Amino acid sequence: GAVVSQHPSRVICKSGTSVKIECRSLDFQATTMFWYRQFPKQSLMLMATSNEGSKATYEQGVEKDKFLINHASLTLSTLTVTSAHPEDSSFYICSARDQALGRPFTEAFFGQGTRLTVV
Amino acid sequence: AQKITQTQPGMFVQEKEAVTLDCTYDTSDPSYGLFWYKQPSSGEMIFLIYQGSYDQQNATEGRYSLNFQKARKSANLVISASQLGDSAMYFCAMRGVRDNFNKFYFGSGTKLNVKP
Repeated sequence: GAVVSQHPSRVICKSGTSVKIECRSLDFQATTMFWYRQFPKQSLMLMATSNEGSKATYEQGVEKDKFLINHASLTLSTLTVTSAHPEDSSFYICSARDQALGRPFTEAFFGQGTRLTVV
Repeated sequence: AQKITQTQPGMFVQEKEAVTLDCTYDTSDPSYGLFWYKQPSSGEMIFLIYQGSYDQQNATEGRYSLNFQKARKSANLVISASQLGDSAMYFCAMRGVRDNFNKFYFGSGTKLNVKP
């Protein structure tokens, strides 16, 4: 199946700094990518939909200025957590769908996830 | 609104036995897809199986099968011949035509423990 690569897998940063997480589709083009947040022992919560060449669409309650998303190419989306605080510590995971497959309900492929710890 | 419900927070199964993980959903979409993902402790989401709402037959992928009962709005995952490596979190998910097939709705997950 298609491969989505997410980097870094783990990051520890100091409170007040910014952290960038990359999500790449390695063998397909993804006009749309998705960013999720997952708290321990909970389900995935969609944060935003990243659209290539346009602004991201954020879910209700997600701060646009805190979580900056850039989708500059058909294979790369980035999530930047700005001015990170300990409450931003979480597992962040991206996904993308290979829309070239032509089926409306193709499975989404997920990155490996990034475990962010803000100290 | 779309909703996925997984009522089993945790399940135990003996190695080599079959186990069923429950999933019910609620949607008014005329067309939708149902998915199951496995999430081991490492965190990655592994796609297991897909069922389309108009598919006549239940989906199967190796040891995984999906017991799809459209009238009851259920899409249970059946894992046959459980293996120790099956121990993980399992998420049921849905996407529908209303959200342009993009947005996933996930259930709360079921943690499966396979005992040797």
